[in-house]
Parts: sequence; structure tokens; C-alpha cells
Amino acid sequence: SAVISQKPSRDICQRGTSLTIQCQVDSQVTMMFWYRQQPGQSLTLIATANQGSEATYESGFVIDKFPISRPNLTFSTLTVSNMSPEDSSIYLCSVALNRDSGEQYFGPGTRLTVT
Amino acid sequence: AQSVTQLGSHVSVSEGALVLLRCNYSSSVPPYLFWYVQYPNQGLQLLLKYTSAATLVKGINGFEAEFKKSETSFHLTKPSAHMSDAAEYFCAVTSPGYSTLTFGKGTMLLVSP
Repeated sequence: SAVISQKPSRDICQRGTSLTIQCQVDSQVTMMFWYRQQPGQSLTLIATANQGSEATYESGFVIDKFPISRPNLTFSTLTVSNMSPEDSSIYLCSVALNRDSGEQYFGPGTRLTVT
Repeated sequence: AQSVTQLGSHVSVSEGALVLLRCNYSSSVPPYLFWYVQYPNQGLQLLLKYTSAATLVKGINGFEAEFKKSETSFHLTKPSAHMSDAAEYFCAVTSPGYSTLTFGKGTMLLVSP
């Protein structure tokens, strides 16, 4: 398994501002992912964070709104840009130790409220 | 394309009663299936997984699930509910070599004394 931490755990932000969320893993991992969980909803994959190259975004998510960095195999950031109240969600980082297992481990999440 | 359907957004049981949470999947290739649990204000914790070995899978905290290909189901059960089982449960599907997970909408399990 893997131990994943996220910073901040929660934040309240004003509309129009940006927030960067950090995800740190205790070991090198092949794949890292970012999910959004809107209030009372399931998880929606935002993007796969690729080390050394641009992230792969899912339909409905764009780099200008959710820029992602992955400078090494243990760390990634997700920025939520030009926030609106609709961006109020829990943002979760997850990792996969290998592609074949399909198994992912999740961080504790960042609870974002936009006012 | 893959999808997961969880029947029942909320399930209520009494402490000591059987827990049954339903999950049906759709996949054009052999699936890998997972159950995750999310306690309030926490991330997701892996309960158990099916990856084409034994069809009856045992997980943590006394939970188990059975993969039934003919019914395209992967229901989660526990013989006797405990108050600490109250949480939201998510079923998810992927396939070998396909890294992304597709989640169901989740089922909130409520346990009453």
C-alpha cells in the first residue's frame, strides 16, 4: 500500500482566486490521479498526473482551469483556478502502484469551499 | 466503456443485522472490481478487490463480496452490522492494464442501535 498526505486539508476561498493542493506519497509510484467529489456525489476523475509530461485530462476538465504538476514520482499539485462556488468540492489525490492491478490508494482529501 | 450501478443511495440496518450493498457493472472486457469505504471527512479506504482469481473475496472489517459474471454483480455483504460500519460505500470497476477507475454513485449505510 501507500501512505498519501494532502495539503491543505480544507480551505475557504473567495471567488476569482486560485488554490493549489499538494499531494505527497511516501514511496515512488507509477501513476497519480486527481478526483473531484462534489457534495453528496460520487468521485469524478479530473486527470492523470504524468511525471515529466503534461497531465491527461478527462472530458469536461481543461488544463487552464485545473493545471497539474508532477515534478517527481512522489509529489503532485492540482491548482483550481479562477474559482467559483461551483468548484466547492472535495479534491482527492490517489495513486496506483502498478497499472496491472487497477488498485488505487487515496489521500484524505481537500475540502474546498468557495464563497 | 465501463459503468457501475449501485442500487439504493441509502441502506438502513439494525446493529447485528445482515448488510447487503448492491453493485452491478457493465464492461466489455473482463473487469476488476473494488469496494471502497469513506468515513465522514476522510478519503477512501480499499475494502476488497476482485481481480479474476477467487470469485468470493474477503476484505477487511468482516466484509466480503462475490463476483457473479452471469448476473454482472459484485454485491458487498457482512453477516452482522456494527455501529462503526456506518459510512459511504463505493463500488468501482476497471480492467487489466486500464489504469482509471469508474465509480458508482455510492451507498450510504446507516446502522441503528
